[in-house]
Amino acid sequence: AQSVTQLGSHVSVSEGALVLLRCNYSSSVPPYLFWYVQYPNQGLQLLLKYTSAATLVKGINGFEAEFKKSETSFHLTKPSAHMSDAAEYFCAVSYYTDKLIFGTGTRLQVFP
Amino acid sequence: DAMVIQNPRYQVTQFGKPVTLSCSQTLNHNVMYWYQQKSSQAPKLLFHYYDKDFNNEADTPDNFQSRRPNTSFCFLDIRSPGLGDAAMYLCATSKAGGTSYGYTFGSGTRLTVV
Repeated sequence: AQSVTQLGSHVSVSEGALVLLRCNYSSSVPPYLFWYVQYPNQGLQLLLKYTSAATLVKGINGFEAEFKKSETSFHLTKPSAHMSDAAEYFCAVSYYTDKLIFGTGTRLQVFP
Repeated sequence: DAMVIQNPRYQVTQFGKPVTLSCSQTLNHNVMYWYQQKSSQAPKLLFHYYDKDFNNEADTPDNFQSRRPNTSFCFLDIRSPGLGDAAMYLCATSKAGGTSYGYTFGSGTRLTVV
């Protein structure tokens, strides 16, 4: 079945450190790929998306993600973490339907 | 600003007492979705509307129903809430023709069942 896997349910970094959140999809055909962020008691906010244009995608709040077909990956990065980045991050895929398939999420903690 | 609005933000209901959650959108999107999200879990799709066409997920309990009277509004009805239905309920919208645009989410309704 088509799915998306997020490695690491919890990631902790120090303020100013690199943030790396991992996402892998399972299909031979590259899907549309998304990263969403969710703050406590809030809905999901779109950070960035890959829709078969540039493989390096820049999003909001300084985040970016690189689509790597050979690795079936779409990892999210940010060069320098800020305290306000602490949240839950969801990777999601769409296989050209009206449905998004979400990963199980990664909770990012940022320590001062 | 165009957006997706969910009301109420917090809802407390009694065990077995019907409850309705509402969602409205000003984006004029064709597709509206209802997700259930339990603590520390990914959102789980309950059903979605493509215009007026209702699409139920196979594992959505019969206890959950939905109505979409017009493009702007969509309702989630829980006929007899159980303790296991306590969750965040998220409404989302998208343009038709695939999800290359991604979804726009509302802020969610947190349902507590007492």
